[in-house]
Amino acid sequence: NVLTQSPGTLSLSPGERATLSCRASQSVSSNFLAWYQQKPGQAPRLLIYGASSRATGVPDRISGSGSGTDFTLTISRLEPEDFAVYYCQQYGSSYSFGQGTKLEIK
Amino acid sequence: QVQLVESGGGVVQPGRSLRLSCAASGFSFANYGMHWVRQTPGKGLEWMVVISNDGVNKYYADSVKGRFTISRDNSKNSVFLQMNSLRAEDTAVYYCAKDHGWFGDLYFDYWGQGTLVTVSS
Repeated sequence: NVLTQSPGTLSLSPGERATLSCRASQSVSSNFLAWYQQKPGQAPRLLIYGASSRATGVPDRISGSGSGTDFTLTISRLEPEDFAVYYCQQYGSSYSFGQGTKLEIK
Repeated sequence: QVQLVESGGGVVQPGRSLRLSCAASGFSFANYGMHWVRQTPGKGLEWMVVISNDGVNKYYADSVKGRFTISRDNSKNSVFLQMNSLRAEDTAVYYCAKDHGWFGDLYFDYWGQGTLVTVSS
């Protein structure tokens, strides 16, 4: 199941809203879709699982939505620490990752 | 707190072997599946293999099947990746990651910091 993320790069300012997209080539079984955040030199960090459930410690300005083949990660008000690369992953049929969206400061 | 620490990376010649280790702490290791994932600038994140909590079930990505072998030692809270017949395209940062479930078919809730493997003559 190939995951395609868009846009490749998103340039926004702190306080703005970010909307990241992840589209699957086939329906994701049971909406088994996760989102990870990765900062330079660090490992990925789990943000969202099951398409919309926040992982422990994730602030409520970060939310996930979607079902089937179309999923979205939304950050309602960007904080400086939110600028990073974001990956979606499906775990409904084996595992696959999207190519990532880089969220950069405008 | 959960900690995963990889080791064993380095520079290796094509065709040679390398064994990676991942030491776990801060959780009941024997109750969870474990994965290895690699990352390259060109291909991004690539899942490679998973092992169930008891070590019985193992599933490999086609790209490494037959060359890489995963194992675990629950008495030592460790998971291993034996990599044989290494190729230049295996050059990557290798991460171990904890599965949220025992079988290893859910999301990855914790990751190690990674170990760099460079395959070069």
